[in-house]
Amino acid sequence: EVQLVESGVGLVQPGGSLRLSCAASGFTFSDYWMHWVRQAPGQGLVWVSRVNSDGSSTSYADSVKGRFTISRDNAKNMLYLQMNSLRAEDTAVFYCARGLPMFFDRWGQGTLVTVSS
Amino acid sequence: EIVLTQSPGTLSLSAGERATLSCRASQSVSSSYLAWYQQKPGQAPRLLIYGASTRATGIPDRFSGSGSGTDFTLTISRLEPEDFAVYYCQQYGGSVTFGGGTKVEIK
Repeated sequence: EVQLVESGVGLVQPGGSLRLSCAASGFTFSDYWMHWVRQAPGQGLVWVSRVNSDGSSTSYADSVKGRFTISRDNAKNMLYLQMNSLRAEDTAVFYCARGLPMFFDRWGQGTLVTVSS
Repeated sequence: EIVLTQSPGTLSLSAGERATLSCRASQSVSSSYLAWYQQKPGQAPRLLIYGASTRATGIPDRFSGSGSGTDFTLTISRLEPEDFAVYYCQQYGGSVTFGGGTKVEIK
């Protein structure tokens, strides 16, 4: 069974940093592009970032470019999102999602990131 | 960036009725790279349709997608109780953008 499980500390101060992780299982992780998508409370879905299957290529939404870094470890079946210079408007549930390659057939349950003092 | 506008914002229907959801793009979506997702409260989105009209694995045939260019439609032929949810369209022809969602609620 395909599983994606996100984790990461939930509360961070403005200007702070946080790393999200996504553990993948039930499929050949290294065959797939992976993405992060976020959803602010009560709002819609917003694509954040993607990494190709071998980690050699990444892309970011303009709103996070220069602040967030996506990476993966295919040996560990792990996806990461390093988030720096966090702002209140980054408060959201962050989902990792499996890409085909640019629509998403499997999603994690999401992890809430709250940026507040 | 392609902006997707979904309408209506809320659709109030009864079980057994037909639901028609619209997704309009600000410019043509190349190769019909348009997907639809369903999201229930407290849950992750679920892929319903990709390539504008191809049902994802395990999706019932009461869900159908159509359209091309800038106008796309998701149709639920007969609403089941479990279909009341929020639906999002997504284009992936260039970068990735989502529509604002349509909530299908019980009338």
